[in-house]
Amino acid sequence: TQLLEQSPQFLSIQEGENLTVYCNSSSVFSSLQWYRQEPGEGPVLLVTVVTGGEVKKLKRLTFQFGDARKDSSLHITAAQPGDTGLYLCAGRTGANSKLTFGKGITLSVRP
Amino acid sequence: EAQVTQNPRYLITVTGKKLTVTCSQNMNHEYMSWYRQDPGLGLRQIYYSMNVEVTDKGDVPEGYKVSRKEKRNFPLILESPSPNQTSLYFCASSFRGLYGYTFGSGTRLTVV
Repeated sequence: TQLLEQSPQFLSIQEGENLTVYCNSSSVFSSLQWYRQEPGEGPVLLVTVVTGGEVKKLKRLTFQFGDARKDSSLHITAAQPGDTGLYLCAGRTGANSKLTFGKGITLSVRP
Repeated sequence: EAQVTQNPRYLITVTGKKLTVTCSQNMNHEYMSWYRQDPGLGLRQIYYSMNVEVTDKGDVPEGYKVSRKEKRNFPLILESPSPNQTSLYFCASSFRGLYGYTFGSGTRLTVV
């Protein structure tokens, strides 16, 4: 059973569109992170959220941690081809627990 | 520049021939970890280390060894590689286990 379920698995959109992707679990997380991975490279940390209901913005990207700390969403406004990549969420269930990754969402933004 | 450096980037080897993938970080991070990434399976943790001389198994440790003799280095050793260890490997580090990870650029290993 996958601890973190990400959806959709694949997404292909046109430049300029908005999109929202999700990271869901039945477990409560003490913290949750989002990474972006480009082909041939390692994941790069985008954000860490720790408080239920927390919203963080990174330019056109908006991250939200669910009130119950079981889920998170990533919203991209006016997507650009440079947003193309694999988006991974990762969470910890406790202060000393390991970081568990979801399988990721492959986003393709067409010019 | 703060970074995690893995070597080599690409490696093709034969079954049973011992190999080492090196990992070094220049951020004085305490926590280091190795992952493998496979299609449909995502990132899976192999081993991690919370500090010098402290290592522990992750989710898929079989067939791998690690050591942490110095804070900056965390090599991954495959004593007798097999084809099912063909994968993309990433080393990662963080200040403490609670913080975000910095990943290396990856090592693509093929075992024939």
